[in-house]
Amino acid sequence: EVQLVESGGGLVQPGGSLRLSCAASGFTFSSYWMSWVRQAPGKGLEWVANIKQDGSEKYYVDSVKGRFTISRDNAKNSLYLQMNSLRAEDTAVYYCAREATTVTTLDYWGQGTLVTVSS
Amino acid sequence: SYVLTQPPSVSVAPGQTARITCGGNNIGSKSVHWYQQKPGQAPVLVVYDDSDRPSGIPERFSGSNSGNTATLTISRVEAGDEADYYCQVWDSSSDHYVFGTGTKVTVL
Repeated sequence: EVQLVESGGGLVQPGGSLRLSCAASGFTFSSYWMSWVRQAPGKGLEWVANIKQDGSEKYYVDSVKGRFTISRDNAKNSLYLQMNSLRAEDTAVYYCAREATTVTTLDYWGQGTLVTVSS
Repeated sequence: SYVLTQPPSVSVAPGQTARITCGGNNIGSKSVHWYQQKPGQAPVLVVYDDSDRPSGIPERFSGSNSGNTATLTISRVEAGDEADYYCQVWDSSSDHYVFGTGTKVTVL
């Protein structure tokens, strides 16, 4: 069974940093692109970033470029999101998601971790 | 950037058919995928590649895509279908996933 479990969320002050983790199991993690998607309270879904199987390609939504870094450790079956210079508008539930292999969609999602940026 | 527009809400009586639209410029040339999200839960893929269903998704969920509009159809609506629904495409010009604005389906 595919499982994705996020951790690392919490309350952080504006300008602060946080590192999210996603532990993957039930599939060959190193064979899949992986993404982070976020959802602000009461709002819709927003794709944040993704990373290729070997980490050689990474893409980001414009609003987080230069502040967030996606990475992975295939030996640990883990995905990460380093978030720096956090802003109030980064407050959201952050989901880890697996990208399907043959279609451009996200076929499995974790339950999410809440990041709150507030003073 | 590519924009996907959905109606904010759709209401439907049990047993009837709900249709949720997703508008985008020439969206018919793209593959459209649909997610269901119930309160406090993660999104679940219900339709991919315009009209295919992942295993475990009821046949009541179907999709179509043509021109500037994609549609998710839920037949014989049940109370358990009450949720938010999001369409999604891959925007190759920006290498980004794009989500629609979301539609809240209310079962009367």
